[in-house]
Parts: sequence; structure tokens; C-alpha cells
Amino acid sequence: GQSLEQPSEVTAVEGAIVQINCTYQTSGFYGLSWYQQHDGGAPTFLSYNALDGLEETGRFSSFLSRSDSYGYLLLQELQMKDSASYFCATEVGGFKTIFGAGTRLFVKA
Amino acid sequence: DAGVTQSPTHLIKTRGQQVTLRCSPKSGHDTVSWYQQALGQGPQFIFQYYEEEERQRGNFPDRFSGHQFPNYSSELNVNALLLGDSALYLCASSLGLGQTRTEAFFGQGTRLTVV
Repeated sequence: GQSLEQPSEVTAVEGAIVQINCTYQTSGFYGLSWYQQHDGGAPTFLSYNALDGLEETGRFSSFLSRSDSYGYLLLQELQMKDSASYFCATEVGGFKTIFGAGTRLFVKA
Repeated sequence: DAGVTQSPTHLIKTRGQQVTLRCSPKSGHDTVSWYQQALGQGPQFIFQYYEEEERQRGNFPDRFSGHQFPNYSSELNVNALLLGDSALYLCASSLGLGQTRTEAFFGQGTRLTVV
């Protein structure tokens, strides 16, 4: 089947760096996206990688290795407000998008 | 720009009833996708509408149907509600291409509770 796997939870301290991994198994590949969702909120787009390498957007970076079917989201200078769920997502078979189950990030003071 | 708006925000229905959820996409967006999100899970793709046609469907039964209007707004209809349909229903809008090829904007969702 087609799926994305992510750790269920990650805990880090304020000011630290955290990496959230995502491995995928899909037939065909159209890039990997990352979304953030706070409790009770809407998912918000963070980044998209179509090609191998690192994409940087402020404190957030995302990496993709298509040969390893692997990507990660890197959050630097963690802040309390970064406590949220993070989802990787990809498009499969046309215009269907699948999401991972999400990684819940807890940032501690 | 109001972004993606969904209505209602919360809804309680009884098993067997029917429900209609509504979505207005972000200004300029022509593609609307619907997702079901159970607590603690990622969004599950229901279907996508483009140019008033359903162009992709996920693994959901025919009880789930939709519509897109000429102004790109969309409705999700669920018939014969089951307890397991209780979830957050999210609408996402984007431009033309697949959701992950362009940035998708999500609404705040409709929390449906079936009792």
C-alpha cells in the first residue's frame, strides 16, 4: 500500500533543534510537503520539496532524498509556540493526497 | 482575503441522518479537496473537485458525495450517518494542480459529532 511513516511524538527544549523524519512508500512520487497543525486549528503549509536537497524557510528547513524515500523537517531555535502536530504529505495516483499520521511536538521550557 | 471558510464550525447529528458541509475557497483558487480527520490522526482524502467535476476520490463509500459550484465553492454531503463518521472535516483549496504541487490552504474545519 501507499503510506508515510512518522514518529508519533517528539519532545525538545526551547531554543534547541529538532528533526522530524518521514519515510514514504508510494507508487509514483510528486514531492513531499509538510504541514503544521495546532490543537483545534487548521493545517498550515510549511514547505514542499520536489527535488533532493534542503529547502530553508526561516527557522524551518525541509530535506528530501528520493533515493532513500525519506525526508525530514528541521525546526531550529525552538519556541513554545512550535508545540503542535506536524504532518508530511504527498500526492499519489493523480490528485489524491495522503498524509502521515502526524508527529506531535512538545516544546519544554 | 478571508482565506478558506467552512460552515458550520460544529454540528451534532443522529445516526441515519444526512449532513451537508460547506466550503468557500481562498480567493482565486479553483480546486477544492475534502478531508476527514479523526482525533490524533492525519487528514484522510475524501475527494477533490476541479471545474465542478470530481476528479479524484479516496477510499470512502458512496454515502460521501460532493458538489462544486461555478464560484468554486463546494459542499460535502454525507448520507446515512454512522457513529464512525464523527470527525473533523477539512476543506482545502489550491490552484489547478495537485494539492502538494502547489500550496494548499485549509479551512478551520467542521467538527461533526454523530450520536
